Amino acid sequence: DQQVKQNSPSLSVQEGRISILNCDYTNSMFDYFLWYKKYPAEGPTFLISISSIKDKNEDGRFTVFLNKSAKHLSLHIVPSQPGDSAVYFCAASARETSGSRLTFGEGTQLTVNP
Amino acid sequence: DTEVTQTPKHLVMGMTNKKSLKCEQHMGHRAMYWYKQKAKKPPELMFVYSYEKLSINESVPSRFSPECPNSSLLNLHLHALQPEDSALYLCASSQGVLIGELFFGEGSRLTVL
Repeated sequence: DQQVKQNSPSLSVQEGRISILNCDYTNSMFDYFLWYKKYPAEGPTFLISISSIKDKNEDGRFTVFLNKSAKHLSLHIVPSQPGDSAVYFCAASARETSGSRLTFGEGTQLTVNP
Repeated sequence: DTEVTQTPKHLVMGMTNKKSLKCEQHMGHRAMYWYKQKAKKPPELMFVYSYEKLSINESVPSRFSPECPNSSLLNLHLHALQPEDSALYLCASSQGVLIGELFFGEGSRLTVL
């Protein structure tokens, strides 16, 4: 049972344009959502998070949107840069019941072309 | 210092060997985790330690034995592994099990022959 789903295994965008990565979840107990970026041969790096009491969180070029009714979140990167090329994992936790235990999506490979 | 350091980066072992993976963090975090990641799959939680005590074991086979000697160190002892245990083993830490994002190490790439 895949509780966190990233339906696009890959995404290719042009440098300077917007990258939109999507994530859906099924567990209504999830109340905290995170995005991680992973380069080859490295561990995942925390990027940005959002609590279920918010619908938007912004940090520089990165913005995460949360639609609780649709159980959907998205990561917007604008403008996209070639260095953003990596695998992006969406993750979720149910902090009230499971603490920081994270459930990850399967990842989306983002390629930003110069 | 915001690093989680894992050693070794690569390990090849036979099915009868005993080896250990090591993880160290100096961020004062009180929760530490072991995750396993197979190729093209998301990380899967194995163990969680909170204040040096095992708090979660995700039904991991006993051939994997975690140990937390102190608040900065986390080990994963390996014995009688199977080839299907070959994977990237990721260590992570957070301020606590209820707070803070997870910071991951670079992982230990394990190959079981």
